[in-house]
Amino acid sequence: ETGVTQTPRHLVMGMTNKKSLKCEQHLGHNAMYWYKQSAKKPLELMFVYSLEERVENNSVPSRFSPECPNSSHLFLHLHTLQPEDSALYLCASSQDRFQANEQFFGPGTRLTVL
Amino acid sequence: AQTVTQSQPEMSVQEAETVTLSCTYDTSESDYYLFWYKQPPSRQMILVIRQEAYKQQNATENRFSVNFQKAAKSFSLKISDSQLGDAAMYFCAYRSAFSGGGADGLTFGKGTHLIIQP
Repeated sequence: ETGVTQTPRHLVMGMTNKKSLKCEQHLGHNAMYWYKQSAKKPLELMFVYSLEERVENNSVPSRFSPECPNSSHLFLHLHTLQPEDSALYLCASSQDRFQANEQFFGPGTRLTVL
Repeated sequence: AQTVTQSQPEMSVQEAETVTLSCTYDTSESDYYLFWYKQPPSRQMILVIRQEAYKQQNATENRFSVNFQKAAKSFSLKISDSQLGDAAMYFCAYRSAFSGGGADGLTFGKGTHLIIQP
């Protein structure tokens, strides 16, 4: 595997379910990001991790819970979501968070909340 | 907070022609970075071109070039000799040169859907 991978690619869940999105980067990067891409809206930054430490949380509701067990893996745990949370969730990584290096994106997980 | 505006939801161009996508941004910072990202229908976002605000010279990458007007806060992307593979959503993005306090991620525009007509 190369680059940034995300699983699953598609997810349908009810509002009472608990699910997790997984992201893995094979680039040796130290920073990882979660973005939300909704229709007709700009991509929104959700979380930033640097060396497994969360450094930014853009006022994201607590029903989204990130986890970064090591610099290669990033999870987004979901629980009691709302229909308006349906979106494409993109993971990205970069060499580090201190330089404006290129962010490499994964293919995304298309989430539908019923 | 910074904002990025892409005023063209959709653009269409004939194959082999040139097209320019517009982007404006608002910031009070003097040092920052600007990017154009491309998102083809398969949805994996890739970097097209990057510009550092302190550099006056416009960035170029093969058929892709930018017109960076710092005073006007404008950052347009020109695609020359358009090819069918250029069809995608194009996003303009801003990144502060500083870190922390909300600066680490990218601020994106809403995107422009580029259609290439054969």
